[in-house]
Amino acid sequence: SYELTQPPSVSVSPGQTARITCSGDALPKQYAYWYQQKPGQAPVVVIYKDSERPSGIPERFSGSSSGTTVTLTISGVQAEDEADYYCQSADSSGTYVFGTGTKVTVL
Amino acid sequence: EVQLVESGGGLVQPGGSLRLSCAASGFTFSNYWMSWVRQAPGKGLEWVANIKQDGSEKYYVDSVKGRFTISRDNAKNSLYLQMNSLRAEDTAVYYCARDYEGLDPWGQGTLVTVSS
Repeated sequence: SYELTQPPSVSVSPGQTARITCSGDALPKQYAYWYQQKPGQAPVVVIYKDSERPSGIPERFSGSSSGTTVTLTISGVQAEDEADYYCQSADSSGTYVFGTGTKVTVL
Repeated sequence: EVQLVESGGGLVQPGGSLRLSCAASGFTFSNYWMSWVRQAPGKGLEWVANIKQDGSEKYYVDSVKGRFTISRDNAKNSLYLQMNSLRAEDTAVYYCARDYEGLDPWGQGTLVTVSS
């Protein structure tokens, strides 16, 4: 089955930049989406279609794509950004898959 | 305000059945694909199934094919997930989500526990 691979954890100091990668063979052909999930809450989309930011999401969140890897970048990390982050895409049959998830810790 | 509210979760024995519902409000439900996503305790997200606006296309993750059925009633602004032959590994919080420019928004989730 299709898999999207993320690093288990990323640690960053306040004000620094956090980068979370997501790798998958189909990513050159399928859009990627990024979700933020805080403890006890439902996920929220922070990036859609590789690099688009929904209304209401701070500008410090950005997305990029290169080959089989997509990246979520959080510039000027704030304490409130501490959360789990998941990428999501689709395989060739149209079924969806989530990445393994990355826990972002703000030091 | 766009809102999704799941219901129907609970404790069920292995091999049993359960039907989840998701009530949508604040948007034209019939215009959107809808998805179910689950999250086992302490684990990551797993997409379960989705359904086209008119119900003519449905897709499932391999682990639930033949056991789960997604459906919708556009007149009632409701999404459903019929779960049969439940297993311990189906224990999770089940979320419904609107499928447009990502899965957005999500409901608050309903907990399904499969245990004897």
